[in-house]
Amino acid sequence: QKEVEQDPGPLSVPEGAIVSLNCTYSNSAFQYFMWYRQYSRKGPELLMYTYSSGNKEDGRFTAQVDKSSKYISLFIRDSQPSDSATYLCAFRTGANNLFFGTGTRLTVIP
Amino acid sequence: SAVISQKPSRDICQRGTSLTIQCQVDSQVTMMFWYRQQPGQSLTLIATANQGSEATYESGFVIDKFPISRPNLTFSTLTVSNMSPEDSSIYLCSVESSGGNEQFFGPGTRLTVL
Repeated sequence: QKEVEQDPGPLSVPEGAIVSLNCTYSNSAFQYFMWYRQYSRKGPELLMYTYSSGNKEDGRFTAQVDKSSKYISLFIRDSQPSDSATYLCAFRTGANNLFFGTGTRLTVIP
Repeated sequence: SAVISQKPSRDICQRGTSLTIQCQVDSQVTMMFWYRQQPGQSLTLIATANQGSEATYESGFVIDKFPISRPNLTFSTLTVSNMSPEDSSIYLCSVESSGGNEQFFGPGTRLTVL
C-alpha cells in the first residue's frame, strides 16, 4: 500500500464551480499536511499548510484534515481559469522529508 | 518565502554524460533538498544537503550517481552522473522556511537524456 494516494484526474470543471481535491494516507506518523499548486513548467508553490484536524480557510481555498480517517481535502470555491494547475498533497512527519501524492490535474473552463 | 533559482532550466543530454544543476537562494538557509519529479509519479526526495557536511541520501539514491555540493548557506549543486534515459525527469531544489515547517521549491530543471 502506498503511503499517499491521490486521484490523478484529470478533473475538468466550469468556471465558478466548487472543486474538491482529496488524498488519503496510511502513515500515522504524519503530523503536517500541505497542499501545493504546480503550474505547467514551474516548481510547486505552497498553498496551504496545517497540522491539526479540522478546516483552515484562506480566501477561496479551504484545507480539511481528518486524522481519524487519514484523509485530507482541498476545496476551491468560485474556481477561476487561473486555478488550472496540478495540485499536490504533501505530508510530513517530525522529520524534514516530504511525502507527496502524484498530483491531480485541474482544468477550469471559462 | 525564499526566492529560489535553478540553472539550467532545461537541458538535453547524451547518454553517459553528466550534468550539474545549480540552485541559488536569496537568503541563508540551513537545509536544502533535492527532489526528482518523474512523469506520472510523485516528487521523490533524493537527498538533504546541509552546509559543511555530507549530504544525506534517501533509499534508492547514491552519492556516486547524484553527487551534491553545499559550499555555503545560499548555494548547492546536484550532479546527475553517467546519465541514461531513465534519468529524464524534472529535478527540483527546495529550502526550508526559517520556522522549519514549510518547504519552498525552485522552478525545476527539466532534463531529457537521449
